[in-house]
Amino acid sequence: DVQLLESGGGLVQPGGSLRLSCVGSGFTFNLYAMTWVRQAPGKGLEWVSALSGNGANIYYADSMKGRFTISRDNSENTVYLQINSLRVEDTAVYFCARVGSWNSRVGFDYWGQGTLLTVSS
Amino acid sequence: IQLTQSPSSLSASVGDRVTITCRASQGISTHLAWYQQKPGKAPKLLIYAASTLQSGVPSRFSGSGSGTDFTLTISSLQPEDFATYYCQQLNSYLLFTFGPGTKVDIK
Repeated sequence: DVQLLESGGGLVQPGGSLRLSCVGSGFTFNLYAMTWVRQAPGKGLEWVSALSGNGANIYYADSMKGRFTISRDNSENTVYLQINSLRVEDTAVYFCARVGSWNSRVGFDYWGQGTLLTVSS
Repeated sequence: IQLTQSPSSLSASVGDRVTITCRASQGISTHLAWYQQKPGKAPKLLIYAASTLQSGVPSRFSGSGSGTDFTLTISSLQPEDFATYYCQQLNSYLLFTFGPGTKVDIK
């Protein structure tokens, strides 16, 4: 079975940095693009970033450019999200997801359970 | 590309037919997906390519549309369908947008 497991969330002070991790299993990790989506408390889904299976193609939502860095280590079946200069408004549950077949425009077919990041002093 | 959804919320009864609309700010062909999210849970993919049902999703869910206007229909609302529904555009490679969501609750 396909599984995605995020980790790395927690309580961080404004201005700090954090790296979130997501380990995938049950599928050939390097064949799939991966993505991060966040959801602030009581709010909707916000796409953050995505990268291709080999990591060569990387994209960010306009509002995420500059402080967010996505990366992956295919030898460890892991995708990362580095967030710098954390702000209170970055408080959210961060989900990782697998991007299904692009040719078929499948969308995000598998999701992790999410990891909560709280930015507060 | 921006997405709008209507209504933002609705109240319905078990057995009702429910329709949610999603409008894109520019044409996106059929490059649209729909997700269901229940409180405290990750979203679940329901429909992709505007009208293709994801494996395991009940047939009471259907999608239609192309270009800028899309709909998600639940033919007979079941108790487990009370949730928030999001549309998502997939028009450009690895660039995505979600709609603001439609909350479906019990009348």
